[in-house]
Amino acid sequence: GESVGLHLPTLSVQEGDNSIINCAYSNSASDYFIWYKQESGKGPQFIIDIRSNMDKRQGQRVTVLLNKTVKHLSLQIAATQPGDSAVYFCAENILGGAQKLVFGQGTRLTINP
Amino acid sequence: GAVVSQHPSWVICKSGTSVKIECRSLDFQATTMFWYRQFPKQSLMLMATSNEGSKATYEQGVEKDKFLINHASLTLSTLTVTSAHPEDSSFYICSARGTAGQKGGKLFFGSGTQLSVL
Repeated sequence: GESVGLHLPTLSVQEGDNSIINCAYSNSASDYFIWYKQESGKGPQFIIDIRSNMDKRQGQRVTVLLNKTVKHLSLQIAATQPGDSAVYFCAENILGGAQKLVFGQGTRLTINP
Repeated sequence: GAVVSQHPSWVICKSGTSVKIECRSLDFQATTMFWYRQFPKQSLMLMATSNEGSKATYEQGVEKDKFLINHASLTLSTLTVTSAHPEDSSFYICSARGTAGQKGGKLFFGSGTQLSVL
């Protein structure tokens, strides 16, 4: 199940099940959103992105859904594997002079064998 | 392979010394590079935006005199933590954005630098 700890929320799923990671973003003017995977001691790894003129985008085993009305983003991972265990961050591209990328809180996904 | 190289991957230093971290785009030109800091079990916090040939733009609460950023070329940005103290111990991550004609304007991240200040 999903729980909120002192820092990162955590989500535990059984191997082979589907997982859904949620994210609330802050700026209604953001035009581009990205999901990243981060393993311990490493930099973020790009998973999938979506532009604000879309509400769904699919990749290999992953799907991103965007609901601009409630400023909500989700990442669905199908048929989870042990290698999917990591921390997942959503990031929003905030329009402005330098179009900076701001990261959300993150969710730790643990895949149970 | 990696398109953004960050060096060193880890560094231990004494309190009061300065540490320089390098971020290089390997096969593209990056007019803009970003520096992030990440504390354990927390998200990446944007520190500053670095533009080639101009002064960096710092986020609110980040001391520009303490975190010196130099973006002297289209492939290299450096972050210098001056007079480091234990509270500066953190994981520092850079990212580089290619121009529209290079890498589709996408953002690529370095592998991070773990700084430990004794």
